[in-house]
Amino acid sequence: EAQVTQNPRYLITVTGKKLTVTCSQNMNHEYMSWYRQDPGLGLRQIYYSMNVEVTDKGDVPEGYKVSRKEKRNFPLILESPSPNQTSLYFCASSPKLNTEAFFGQGTRLTVV
Amino acid sequence: QKEVEQNSGPLSVPEGAIASLNCTYSDRGSQSFFWYRQYSGKSPELIMFIYSNGDKEDGRFTAQLNKASQYVSLLIRDSQPSDSATYLCAVKGRTGFQKLVFGTGTRLLVSP
Repeated sequence: EAQVTQNPRYLITVTGKKLTVTCSQNMNHEYMSWYRQDPGLGLRQIYYSMNVEVTDKGDVPEGYKVSRKEKRNFPLILESPSPNQTSLYFCASSPKLNTEAFFGQGTRLTVV
Repeated sequence: QKEVEQNSGPLSVPEGAIASLNCTYSDRGSQSFFWYRQYSGKSPELIMFIYSNGDKEDGRFTAQLNKASQYVSLLIRDSQPSDSATYLCAVKGRTGFQKLVFGTGTRLLVSP
């Protein structure tokens, strides 16, 4: 089954404790992105990647890192999480430019 | 001015009626337009995409695009209670790889 898989689905952590949210897609898509979704603000892009070893900042990259060492994986790293990073996170992949994004199930992160 | 604007709603319609959801965008050069449906706490799922002016129909859904007026709409015919969700409009601009800009969504409530 074609899908984007994120882990974990739920995470509660403390301020400053490094964490990684994994994202994997099995559709051989070149393009992958991370979004965060907050009430009243909608979905905002954090980082995106056009291919292996090619990543760039989205609209809200502060406090986040990403890597793209393999085509299928695009982890999101929070080196020192803060409470304002409490949010619902989505990973997405797309086969080409100007095509639709396929979303993972989401990761609900709470930083206390 | 927000890049993509939607009325947050809720838009309430009775079962069987036509629901009309609207979206305006600011980038006149935008090329690709998408409608996603998102149930509470779930990931967005693509309903339709449209690239050219005019109407595009898929089952009970019709997307309408007017680039001159910079709006895109989604009509849902014969609305069902299962259509109750938040509908996200997303626009792909001229610049920025994989920069899908999302509206904050319109919440639709279909009453039996």
